[in-house]
Amino acid sequence: GQQLNQSPQSMFIQEGEDVSMNCTSSSIFNTWLWYKQDPGEGPVLLIALYKAGELTSNGRLTAQFGITRKDSFLNISASIPSDVGIYFCAGQVAGANSKLTFGKGITLSVRP
Amino acid sequence: DAGVIQSPRHEVTEMGQEVTLRCKPISGHNSLFWYRQTMMRGLELLIYFNNNVPIDDSGMPEDRFSAKMPNASFSTLKIQPSEPRDSAVYFCASSLGGLDQPQHFGDGTRLSIL
Repeated sequence: GQQLNQSPQSMFIQEGEDVSMNCTSSSIFNTWLWYKQDPGEGPVLLIALYKAGELTSNGRLTAQFGITRKDSFLNISASIPSDVGIYFCAGQVAGANSKLTFGKGITLSVRP
Repeated sequence: DAGVIQSPRHEVTEMGQEVTLRCKPISGHNSLFWYRQTMMRGLELLIYFNNNVPIDDSGMPEDRFSAKMPNASFSTLKIQPSEPRDSAVYFCASSLGGLDQPQHFGDGTRLSIL
C-alpha cells in the first residue's frame, strides 16, 4: 500500500521563526491534505491541494503540491506558541474508492 | 456549527468487556469514517460508510470489531471482546461526498483496556 514519509519526527523552533515540513511518497497522489492535531483533539484540516504545482495559503500557512505529485510541503511563517502541535500530511491516489493515507506526523514545539 | 461529536471521550474497561463507541457526523455529510490512532502505527482507517452503507471495512483488525450506521446521523464502533492491544484513540470523521472530499474529525475516544 501507499506510504507517506514525514521527517523528522519532532521539530523545535524559536517563536517568530519560519518552519518548513516535507512529506514524500513512493506513489503518485492526486490529492494532498495537511492537518494539525492539538493534544486531546482530533486532526483539523489546514490546507487541501488538488493539482500538481498548486500553491495555497491559509494565513501564515502555505502548502504546495509537488510537481512530481510524490511530495508536498507545508510552510509556517512567523511561528507563534499556538502553532505547537502535530502536523500530518495525508494523500490520496486517483480513484473513487481510494482511501486517504496519513503520514506519522511531525511534532512541532515553539520556544517563546 | 456543530462538528463531529464522539462519545464517550474516555473509556477505561477490563479486557473481555464489550466496548461501544459512538459518533454523530456533521449534519448533511454523507460519508463517515472510523480511524484508530496509536503511537506505533499512526492513523489507520478502519471502515468507512457512504450514505449509511459500509463501503470498505478492510481496515477492521478482526472479527471482534464491528461498525454500524443505522441512519445518517449516528454510527457505532463496537469491540467485543476487548483486548489490551485495542487501547488507542478512536476517531470518527465525516465528509460531504466521497473519499476525495476533505474529512472533518471528531475529538476522539481515548480507549484503555486493562
